[in-house]
Amino acid sequence: DPKIIQKPKYLVAVTGSEKILICEQYLGHNAMYWYRQSAKKPLEFMFSYSYQKLMDNQTASSRFQPQSSKKNHLDLQITALKPDDSATYFCASSQAPGGTGQLYFGEGSKLTVL
Amino acid sequence: GQQVQQSPASLVLQEGENAELQCNFSSTATRLQWFYQRPGGSLVSLLSNPSGTKHTGRLTSTTVTKERRGSLHISSSQITDSGTYLCAMVVNTGNYKYVFGAGTRLKVIA
Repeated sequence: DPKIIQKPKYLVAVTGSEKILICEQYLGHNAMYWYRQSAKKPLEFMFSYSYQKLMDNQTASSRFQPQSSKKNHLDLQITALKPDDSATYFCASSQAPGGTGQLYFGEGSKLTVL
Repeated sequence: GQQVQQSPASLVLQEGENAELQCNFSSTATRLQWFYQRPGGSLVSLLSNPSGTKHTGRLTSTTVTKERRGSLHISSSQITDSGTYLCAMVVNTGNYKYVFGAGTRLKVIA
């Protein structure tokens, strides 16, 4: 059974709209992350959270807002969507804050913006 | 900026052949980590290696930190090994961060 649940697996949005990507992990980990992978770029780090606090943000745009309502949840809200936001968004987690432990990935949410 | 270069970009092997995947990175890394990405997209961690050589099953990871390079050797390839192999360097900039390469797409044919 997948230990990191991402929803939805696929989604299509129109330019200018807003979407929320859901991520829940059942590994008992303390750190959670968002990564993005597009056709044009390798898998790239976006955010890291530890104990529900933002640790690192490498996303230039404020249109991307992570939200952590519980320790094992890290959702990603994306506003004013653009076609360039089309990508697969991966949620990940690790036991230790700071990523010193092994990184586990979810199955990804593939976003297409028309 | 921090970069990871992987080569070759793609590789086709006959079943049973060995593969050598290369990874070069641009700055000081605490370790290299290799991931396998299934054709469907999900990622699985394979080996994590700060330096030297590590083995698991048919996989051998070698990291030469001073020379900023690493490799993943796959012996006796199988059709089920097909997929993309990603190399990530783990850097400590106050927080640990994974910087990924573009990957090597491996196809193993019968």
